[in-house]
Amino acid sequence: GQNIDQPTEMTATEGAIVQINCTYQTSGFNGLFWYQQHAGEAPTFLSYNVLDGLEEKGRFSSFLSRSKGYSYLLLKELQMKDSASYLCAVRDRDYQLIWGAGTKLIIKP
Amino acid sequence: NAGVTQTPKFRILKIGQSMTLQCAQDMNHNYMYWYRQDPGMGLKLIYYSVGAGITDKGEVPNGYNVSRSTTEDFPLRLELAAPSQTSVYFCASHPLQGGGQETQYFGPGTRLLVL
Repeated sequence: GQNIDQPTEMTATEGAIVQINCTYQTSGFNGLFWYQQHAGEAPTFLSYNVLDGLEEKGRFSSFLSRSKGYSYLLLKELQMKDSASYLCAVRDRDYQLIWGAGTKLIIKP
Repeated sequence: NAGVTQTPKFRILKIGQSMTLQCAQDMNHNYMYWYRQDPGMGLKLIYYSVGAGITDKGEVPNGYNVSRSTTEDFPLRLELAAPSQTSVYFCASHPLQGGGQETQYFGPGTRLLVL
């Protein structure tokens, strides 16, 4: 079966750095997405990786290793508004998105 | 552009009742999706459509039906509501795939409670 694993919850301090990991086992691979979802709201797109390596976008970076079935989302200079759930999703061989359960990130002052 | 819109925002149903969740997008996207999200869980695909007149089942289609008569609209029908269908329903869309990062755009969601 297809599976995506993320930690359920993480806590970090305002101004710090946090890394959210995602491991996946899917039937085929056509890209990996990270979405942010604030409580009670819809997911919004953060990043996309299809090749191995690091993609940087401001305070957020995402890394992919296809051989290891592994990705991480790195958030720097954490702000209180970064408190949200972070969803990892993999597009499989049928171009369908398989979603992880999400990691709830709690930011403390 | 309004993007992806969904109605209603919240609804309470009694067991056995039926309803239609509305979804519309004004971005001329070919691909549209219906997901449900249970508390603390990831998104589960219910149905999707690659264009007007074409629909396909996703991972959890039982108890639901869809239609896609126009590019803009993709309604989701619940015929006999059950407590297991209590969830948040998201509609999403994206343009025709071109080998790049076809980001899905989500509607605000419909919260459904079946009692």
